[in-house]
This record gives sequence, structure tokens and C-alpha cells, in this order.
Amino acid sequence: GENVEQHPSTLSVQEGDSAVIKCTYSDSASNYFPWYKQELGKRPQLIIDIRSNVGEKKDQRIAVTLNKTAKHFSLHITETQPEDSAVYFCAASLPVNEKLTFGTGTRLTIIP
Amino acid sequence: SAVISQKPSRDICQRGTSLTIQCQVDSQVTMMFWYRQQPGQSLTLIATANQGSEATYESGFVIDKFPISRPNLTFSTLTVSNMSPEDSSIYLCSVRGAHWGTDTQYFGPGTRLTVL
Repeated sequence: GENVEQHPSTLSVQEGDSAVIKCTYSDSASNYFPWYKQELGKRPQLIIDIRSNVGEKKDQRIAVTLNKTAKHFSLHITETQPEDSAVYFCAASLPVNEKLTFGTGTRLTIIP
Repeated sequence: SAVISQKPSRDICQRGTSLTIQCQVDSQVTMMFWYRQQPGQSLTLIATANQGSEATYESGFVIDKFPISRPNLTFSTLTVSNMSPEDSSIYLCSVRGAHWGTDTQYFGPGTRLTVL
């Protein structure tokens, strides 16, 4: 089955700077890659996603890039704000069973 | 997006007992899933709840321990049977495949279970 690795496990960034979280996946057939943000005590919230036929997608301060050849995808957050502090999870999905396999998570802390 | 509710939101149970968690969605969905999230950990898929048939379990999870029902396209239950302290976790319902798009997957608020 699919295996997703996520790095780093923790990340501290000065407010206003950019943050980058990287994930790799094992199965080249995976075609859907969402990112979730989970604040303490809350449910995971979808913040952005990308399909395998697209290389990059942006939504305001958030962007995701996908390199199918290398089988990795990244989340980029620019102009970070204190409310960006949370745990971020990447995931990958195969078209055959549509199950999401999650990475291990990155705890992002924005330093004011 | 989806409005997903779960009941109960939290519970404290004695070992050896069972708890049934309900998941209700405000619209029909193709797929419903149950996840477990242990403290400080990622999300682990327990099973896919199939409408009108037996759930599909992931490796390490069995029907006798986690029976699942899905009687229609908007409702599912997960039972945690014969509980032990190791079952203490957050259990999340998740849905996919509806009017908002086939890929996008949303999560319910979760049920925080503590087993004494």
C-alpha cells in the first residue's frame, strides 16, 4: 500500500517568514494530495489540495507543489502569522481505493 | 462543504464495556471512513464503512473489536468493543464524494474516548 513520509516533525518560524513542509509518497499511482491543518483539540481542516495532473496550486498565502517524478509534494506558507501555528498533515490517495494515507504531521510554531 | 456531527463528543468508560459512536452527515456521501488519532499522533484509518455491506478493515483492525454499520448514505456507527485503556483515543468520522467534489474529504469533530 501507499506510504507517506513527512518532514520536518517540528518547525519554528519567525512571524512574517515563510514555512515549507515536505512529503514523499511511495506509490506512483497516487493521484490526489491534500493538506490538513489541525489546531489543538480541533478536527483536521482541509486547507489545500492538488491532483496529479497539476504541478502547483496557490490559495492566497498557501501553495502546494507536486513533483511526480520524484514523488514528493510540499506545502508553502508565506508571510506567516501566529494563527498559522498548528499541526499540518499531508496525505496521498490512490485512485483504486480512494483511501487517504497520512503523513506523521508537522508541528508548526510561529514566533511573534 | 459537509456538516458532520458525531455523538458523543467525549466519554469516559470502564474497561470491558463497549461504546457506540454515531456519525451523521447533512448530505448523501459516497464514502465514509473511521479514523483513530492517538495523542500527538497522526490519523490511522480503521475502516471504510460501506453502505449496505460489511465494512472494509485496515490491517490491525478487526470487525469483532470495531463493528461498523452504515445503513444509508448519511449515517454510520463505530462500536469500540470490550474496551481497554489502550483504546483511549480520538475517533473521527470522515466523508468523501458528494456535491462538493469526489476527492475532497472532510472530518467530523471527533469523539474523545477515555478508558479507565
